[in-house]
Amino acid sequence: GESVGLHLPTLSVQEGDNSIINCAYSNSASDYFIWYKQESGKGPQFIIDIRSNMDKRQGQRVTVLLNKTVKHLSLQIAATQPGDSAVYFCAENRNNDMRFGAGTRLTVKP
Amino acid sequence: GAGVSQSPSNKVTEKGKDVELRCDPISGHTALYWYRQSLGQGLEFLIYFQGNSAPDKSGLPSDRFSAERTGGSVSTLTIQRTQQEDSAVYLCASSWTAHYSGANVLTFGAGSRLTVL
Repeated sequence: GESVGLHLPTLSVQEGDNSIINCAYSNSASDYFIWYKQESGKGPQFIIDIRSNMDKRQGQRVTVLLNKTVKHLSLQIAATQPGDSAVYFCAENRNNDMRFGAGTRLTVKP
Repeated sequence: GAGVSQSPSNKVTEKGKDVELRCDPISGHTALYWYRQSLGQGLEFLIYFQGNSAPDKSGLPSDRFSAERTGGSVSTLTIQRTQQEDSAVYLCASSWTAHYSGANVLTFGAGSRLTVL
């Protein structure tokens, strides 16, 4: 399943499928990007980050892709699990000023 | 402390009353942020403190909102004459200032849920 970030704030996928969550950022001078996961009733938690001199970074089951040409960031989650259900936020950083996107709610269907 | 601590976790108040929300950041973190999150919405930036620098207050929605950070540690967000539209979860986060520019992982508290009746 794939979302288009701010224009499609919800994404529903089947357990085991891959998920792609997209984010458009606003400032071409931003030099650092982070994805956060927020579960119900909790504060956002760090998932993965990427610096602007990179275009891809992989973690455990997650990959972040950065396209600076079009100011686009994506989070790919492999083999999505029920525990991945949450709201996912991208954040851009410039001079230690962190600003967040609107978020995408991911729902994993069993 | 081990994490960012916020209090109260829940606050119900009457319209027109003042409220104070408290944030204890991780010890040694120089940057502290306040965000507001309305139901089902994203994070709205309110204010940012970095060390001894003047805070960035550009996100405060009105002059009813103010924040202080005493001694470079604990912060208090004050909302005067609360309105129903102030109802939201107020999140605090803190971070190190990294040695290289740009890296800034925020650690969030669980938030203070404010309900204005």
